[in-house]
Amino acid sequence: GAVVSQHPSRVICKSGTSVKIECRSLDFQATTMFWYRQFPKQSLMLMATSNEGSKATYEQGVEKDKFLINHASLTLSTLTVTSAHPEDSSFYICSARAEYNSPLHFGNGTRLTVT
Amino acid sequence: QQQVKQSPQSLIVQKGGISIINCAYENTAFDYFPWYQQFPGKGPALLIAIRPDVSEKKEGRFTISFNKSAKQFSLHIMDSQPGDSATYFCAASRVGNEKLTFGTGTRLTIIP
Repeated sequence: GAVVSQHPSRVICKSGTSVKIECRSLDFQATTMFWYRQFPKQSLMLMATSNEGSKATYEQGVEKDKFLINHASLTLSTLTVTSAHPEDSSFYICSARAEYNSPLHFGNGTRLTVT
Repeated sequence: QQQVKQSPQSLIVQKGGISIINCAYENTAFDYFPWYQQFPGKGPALLIAIRPDVSEKKEGRFTISFNKSAKQFSLHIMDSQPGDSATYFCAASRVGNEKLTFGTGTRLTIIP
């Protein structure tokens, strides 16, 4: 089945630094990937839609200059949290689908802790 | 605006019993309704999904019931096992829009 790999699984960084999270589709090509954020015991909130070869589409309220998304190839999308602050601490999850109308598969998430 | 409402927030079921989680949606354009299972520290995994052209779909111990007129759908887990203890999310999307709108989640605990 379709596998989405996310790296790293956990990262701790100091306030003011930037962190990059990678999302890879291992056995399929994904023209579109999605980035979600999940706070403890809460639902998944869509942050942005990452489109291969073009700019990401951000959801309302998500700062595009803070959460930089790059989708340079059909198998890789990256999310960079710039100038991270403690309030950015969260669980970030990416997802992708192999083709239009096929099920959405999720990575295992990245636990970001900003100290 | 919460477009998919999920209940209950938490649920405790005895081993062997039936677990039932309910969701209601507002957007009549939604036409794809998946359920995801999430274990702590992991991403959600697709469990089962349904489209509105059928009223029920069964896969093993998991069944989705769908009521289009009431705009409701539910997940039934038969013969619930301790390994089913997880958080379950319903979701919805519509053709032409790949975004999923998630419910608020249900923490299911199966006790021996």
